[in-house]
Amino acid sequence: QKEVEQNSGPLSVPEGAIASLNCTYSDRGSQSFFWYRQYSGKSPELIMFIYSNGDKEDGRFTAQLNKASQYVSLLIRDSQPSDSATYLCAVKKTGTASKLTFGTGTRLQVTL
Amino acid sequence: DVKVTQSSRYLVKRTGEKVFLECVQDMDHENMFWYRQDPGLGLRLIYFSYDVKMKEKGDIPEGYSVSREKKERFSLILESASTNQTSMYLCASSLPFDGDTQYFGPGTRLTVL
Repeated sequence: QKEVEQNSGPLSVPEGAIASLNCTYSDRGSQSFFWYRQYSGKSPELIMFIYSNGDKEDGRFTAQLNKASQYVSLLIRDSQPSDSATYLCAVKKTGTASKLTFGTGTRLQVTL
Repeated sequence: DVKVTQSSRYLVKRTGEKVFLECVQDMDHENMFWYRQDPGLGLRLIYFSYDVKMKEKGDIPEGYSVSREKKERFSLILESASTNQTSMYLCASSLPFDGDTQYFGPGTRLTVL
């Protein structure tokens, strides 16, 4: 079992719809959870992070964390073609200092 | 704004050459990281440094070494480049206790022929 698992996609959603991206992790003691967006040929850029169970909203983005079920998700409302990218989930595991473990990413395609 | 820069965007080297990749950050971050990214394998940590002259092996350190003589600069060294080190190399930095958010440089696409 991978430490951080994501469906590779592509996930295809029409413009204006809600895109839902999911990530599961294996270390129950994981503390911090991050979502990065990566355009093709570019480096990852932080979208948001979440530490506590529940929802955290930032503009069109909402991160949801459920530690009991060991998953974290990212919702993108009113999806735009510019949201087409690969979304990386990253987790700070217990006792790993400042290191993050990354999933392999989900490719999102927003269609016109 | 955090700024992380890398010395080259594209680099082509020959097998057996010694290769230096440099990373500089301007936000006084203690932590710096080197990753490689390959299709289907995601981001894999090569080395990590949490202070000047301090380093820690990541998941795939074989064939690589690092140097951190100054806080803002973290270098990745390929002692004898091989074709299986052809990859995208990404540098990142973070502040401890700042949520451990990592900020990435633009990346260096290295091709070893």
